[in-house]
Amino acid sequence: GAVVSQHPSWVICKSGTSVKIECRSLDFQATTMFWYRQFPKQSLMLMATSNEGSKATYEQGVEKDKFLINHASLTLSTLTVTSAHPEDSSFYICSAMTGGGYEQYFGPGTRLTVT
Amino acid sequence: AQSVSQHNHHVILSEAASLELGCNYSYGGTVNLFWYVQYPGQHLQLLLKYFSGDPLVKGIKGFEAEFIKSKFSFNLRKPSVQWSDTAEYFCAVKSFSGGYNKLIFGAGTRLAVHP
Repeated sequence: GAVVSQHPSWVICKSGTSVKIECRSLDFQATTMFWYRQFPKQSLMLMATSNEGSKATYEQGVEKDKFLINHASLTLSTLTVTSAHPEDSSFYICSAMTGGGYEQYFGPGTRLTVT
Repeated sequence: AQSVSQHNHHVILSEAASLELGCNYSYGGTVNLFWYVQYPGQHLQLLLKYFSGDPLVKGIKGFEAEFIKSKFSFNLRKPSVQWSDTAEYFCAVKSFSGGYNKLIFGAGTRLAVHP
């Protein structure tokens, strides 16, 4: 149980285009989802926290207009990287948590390469 | 600022050697503590967690960790490592002080086990 999936697993896009990444909780309802990015050989940095039906809360330094997060249902959250640039190339990981839960379940990640 | 510190960035061991990875955090109040492992090319997996009770926690694959509240530490141990333990290990802390309930990761420790 507690499986989180992400789609796509990897994506290559051209600079200036937008990319959408989906995060789904497959066998549980996720009231809260988190988006992280991980640079090569570095730790996970929290980008934002989203609660179903509410606006996402972004961490300091994360541009909310560039990284659009939508948590429209209890099983789906999306991250859209708008007007992507090469410096946005990274590994994006989502995680999900049930209401009142303490443990986060992580997706397999999406590797974004912007050329 | 709240932070999680992992003292060893890169550890190299021979098979059957004992392992101890340090983790310290700077949060006050109630905390939940986690160790995650990321095998090469794979997503994060939970090794073990501490919420309350016995401060010595046993996890999967023979790993254990000890929560020492007075030292703000949660060190990971394994008596005898195997080549298959080669991976990156992340300590993570979730604090509930003042409504702050984000899961914050340490920088990670890259473990290489030589046969």
